[in-house]
Amino acid sequence: DGGITQSPKYLFRKEGQNVTLSCEQNLNHDAMYWYRQDPGQGLRLIYYSQIVNDFQKGDIAEGYSVSREKKESFPLTVTSAQKNPTAFYLCASSSQGVTGELFFGEGSRLTVL
Amino acid sequence: AQSVTQPDIHITVSEGASLELRCNYSYGATPYLFWYVQSPGQGLQLLLKYFSGDTLVQGIKGFEAEFKRSQSSFNLRKPSVHWSDAAEYFCAAAGGTSYGKLTFGQGTILTVHP
Repeated sequence: DGGITQSPKYLFRKEGQNVTLSCEQNLNHDAMYWYRQDPGQGLRLIYYSQIVNDFQKGDIAEGYSVSREKKESFPLTVTSAQKNPTAFYLCASSSQGVTGELFFGEGSRLTVL
Repeated sequence: AQSVTQPDIHITVSEGASLELRCNYSYGATPYLFWYVQSPGQGLQLLLKYFSGDTLVQGIKGFEAEFKRSQSSFNLRKPSVHWSDAAEYFCAAAGGTSYGKLTFGQGTILTVHP
């Protein structure tokens, strides 16, 4: 079945460590997105990519990095520079950018110990 | 700045009652508007969307939303709520100077009492 796969589902990290969250899609979508979700704050856009080898910063990109070397993959690295990384991270993709439906993965919950 | 506001953080209704979730947007021009639903610990699913035309939009699971330009609103409604509708609901918008970005509201948690 087509869809978006995020891994790992749960991740624990010590302060000062970088961690990479995986996002893979087999929907043949051009656009991919990373959102951060915190209680009461909705979803905030971290990075987005509308085409391979190109990506743009969202509203809260500081302390995060991404790459888009393949159409199917859009990994997110949470660096040690991110001051408050504990959150629920959601990856999404779309065939029509933001004018179309976003398909979401099931999320990755990162906890910094 | 472009924004989406959901004034109600938490709403409780009885099963079978009607439901209205509020959404207001602040954009220079009419944006593309969406409602998504999220079950606990899961991703989001699209309920419906509005681009132009008829201001009353029908979606999945018996939901509808009405676009009101004069009020900059896009409220979600359902005539009779089922226990399975308990979830968190997000209004979202895209367009204007933020092309390529989908901005979400803060979300409204719906609790359904039997």
